[in-house]
Amino acid sequence: KQEVTQIPAALSVPEGENLVLNCSFTDSAIYNLQWFRQDPGKGLTSLLLIQSSQREQTSGRLNASLDKSSGRSTLYIAASQPGDSATYLCAVTQGGSEKLVFGKGMKLTVNP
Amino acid sequence: GAGVSQSPRYKVAKRGQDVALRCDPISGHVSLFWYQQALGQGPEFLTYFQNEAQLDKSGLPSDRFFAERPEGSVSTLKIQRTQQEDSAVYLCASSPTSLPGLLLHFGNGTRLTVT
Repeated sequence: KQEVTQIPAALSVPEGENLVLNCSFTDSAIYNLQWFRQDPGKGLTSLLLIQSSQREQTSGRLNASLDKSSGRSTLYIAASQPGDSATYLCAVTQGGSEKLVFGKGMKLTVNP
Repeated sequence: GAGVSQSPRYKVAKRGQDVALRCDPISGHVSLFWYQQALGQGPEFLTYFQNEAQLDKSGLPSDRFFAERPEGSVSTLKIQRTQQEDSAVYLCASSPTSLPGLLLHFGNGTRLTVT
């Protein structure tokens, strides 16, 4: 059974720091990996999706990498801003399945 | 344009009551998912529809949970004889494609509290 882990559960940093969020998964036979953002009381917004054949994806200040063989992904946030404060979730899909398996998320607070 | 709409936004039910949660996906989206998110946890898969066909209901926790999408658009998640452990946010997501994980749009969820 696929398990997705995100450590730490919470992080508080001053504005301007470069951040690395970690995600690990137990079964490397994934179809793709996705990073989501969730604001309080809201649904999820997809930030970046990496197909299993890709190594990384970039969007603005965000960069996500994937090392499928070691079961790890990182989300890099450059020059963090207070507006980046949210919960970040990592999720994978398996080959042959349409469902997402999520980690518990990491709550990020960026202080002005 | 309109996103995925879920109603009600909040629902309080007494233990043993039946509840119905509604999801209006984005028009034309073929795939529709229901997820359950307990406090402090990531969402957990409940069920998946492709148009009106329920292709996967492996995540439904018990036979008290039932979902339908009779015309391939609006979906309803019904929970019978609610229990306290059913308290969670129920998220609906839709996608224009059947490819796994792609182009998902989530609603803001229904927060169910069972007292």
